[in-house]
Amino acid sequence: EIVLTQSPATLSLSPGEGVTLSCRASQNVNRYLAWYQHKPGQVPRVLIYETSKRATGIPARFSGSGSGTDFTLTISSLEPEDFAVYSCQQRSNWPYTFGQGTKLEIK
Amino acid sequence: VQLVESGGGLVQPGGSLRLSCAASGFTFNNYAMAWVRQVPGKGLEWVSVISGSGSSTNYADSVRGRYTISRDNSNHTLYLQMNSLRADDTAVYYCARDFTITIYGVLITWGQGTLVTVAT
Repeated sequence: EIVLTQSPATLSLSPGEGVTLSCRASQNVNRYLAWYQHKPGQVPRVLIYETSKRATGIPARFSGSGSGTDFTLTISSLEPEDFAVYSCQQRSNWPYTFGQGTKLEIK
Repeated sequence: VQLVESGGGLVQPGGSLRLSCAASGFTFNNYAMAWVRQVPGKGLEWVSVISGSGSSTNYADSVRGRYTISRDNSNHTLYLQMNSLRADDTAVYYCARDFTITIYGVLITWGQGTLVTVAT
């Protein structure tokens, strides 16, 4: 099973700041890496898939990069609605797996 | 587009539950469907996935042999039959739509989730 390790576990930031979240895979997942956003009481939604493709309706401030085992999600300027939990997920090998999540909280 | 789960609740260890997911707003049989769970305070875990036709399925090792995923395309409903339930199956179970008719592994629509609690 491929283990995805996200760092940091929690980040405290202010609206308007930029942020880069990290996801490291225990083995090569090529570019089969997605990012999801999850807020308490709301439905999770996919932000990025295949490392860098934005899902439908996702604002341009969200971008993804990486390959192999190291990936990042960048939010260029945080909006109030961006404070949430972000999880990466690989689809290179079954079982597909998620990282443990990074929580973005308002400073 | 909407996915609505039902069937969760409290069950004793060793018991069974069947979760349902009613889909609307899209052509159900054109998409693979999945169940994903989240233990409170922990990360997400893929449980099972089924292709649009129902001919292909995958299971997490932790549930293989105990859970069965199925779908009724005529009634736009996804199911998860859960048997021999254990305390570590306690989680919120989400129904989700995959990207394509075949198992792809990118979940583009999620339901609100249903809580399954396994306890005496």
